[in-house]
Amino acid sequence: DTGVSQDPRHKITKRGQNVTFRCDPISEHNRLYWYRQTLGQGPEFLTYFQNEAQLEKSRLLSDRFSAERPKGSFSTLEIQRTEQGDSAMYLCASTSTGTGSGYTFGSGTRLTVV
Amino acid sequence: RKEVEQDPGPFNVPEGATVAFNCTYSNSASQSFFWYRQDCRKEPKLLMSVYSSGNEDGRFTAQLNRASQYISLLIRDSKLSDSATYLCVVNTWMDSSYKLIFGSGTRLLVRP
Repeated sequence: DTGVSQDPRHKITKRGQNVTFRCDPISEHNRLYWYRQTLGQGPEFLTYFQNEAQLEKSRLLSDRFSAERPKGSFSTLEIQRTEQGDSAMYLCASTSTGTGSGYTFGSGTRLTVV
Repeated sequence: RKEVEQDPGPFNVPEGATVAFNCTYSNSASQSFFWYRQDCRKEPKLLMSVYSSGNEDGRFTAQLNRASQYISLLIRDSKLSDSATYLCVVNTWMDSSYKLIFGSGTRLLVRP
């Protein structure tokens, strides 16, 4: 499978716990994006990487959120001290261009904070 | 005001109907435009790009009006399998880079 892979598919955690999600992009794509989607809304931009450099973080992203892409390949998104409001689908997308076309999304990680 | 606005629907139509979705965007410097389709609990998938000259892909026709900052999608001869949420998406400059900005989506239900 040469698509974008995300792991885990589902995560249930207790409030206050830390969680980490992984995204493996398409190998030749140098840009990787994280989005968050809540019920009834479209995906919202969180952050993006070009190769290993994190070039932008949304103002939506509190200090509890951190993302890495250590070797310009896979990426991780960590949420510390989770809150119920963090419950959402976390989507990863990759592309080789900045034009907007050719974004491929992963299946997402659905986080439920109880 | 949201960057990309859509009617949330749902649009409930019979098989074979023609249905049209509209979308407006606020940033006149937006670079490129798309419709994505999202099935329930699945990831968004690119349906088609949208060009000023209008473009068609089978039963789907997309149109862009840059002057009015308006995007449309027309679906002819609706099929049951067209039931999904349709996301209007704009590649726009926000903060310090171009990125995809999504509308909230328009839900389509096609009934037998």
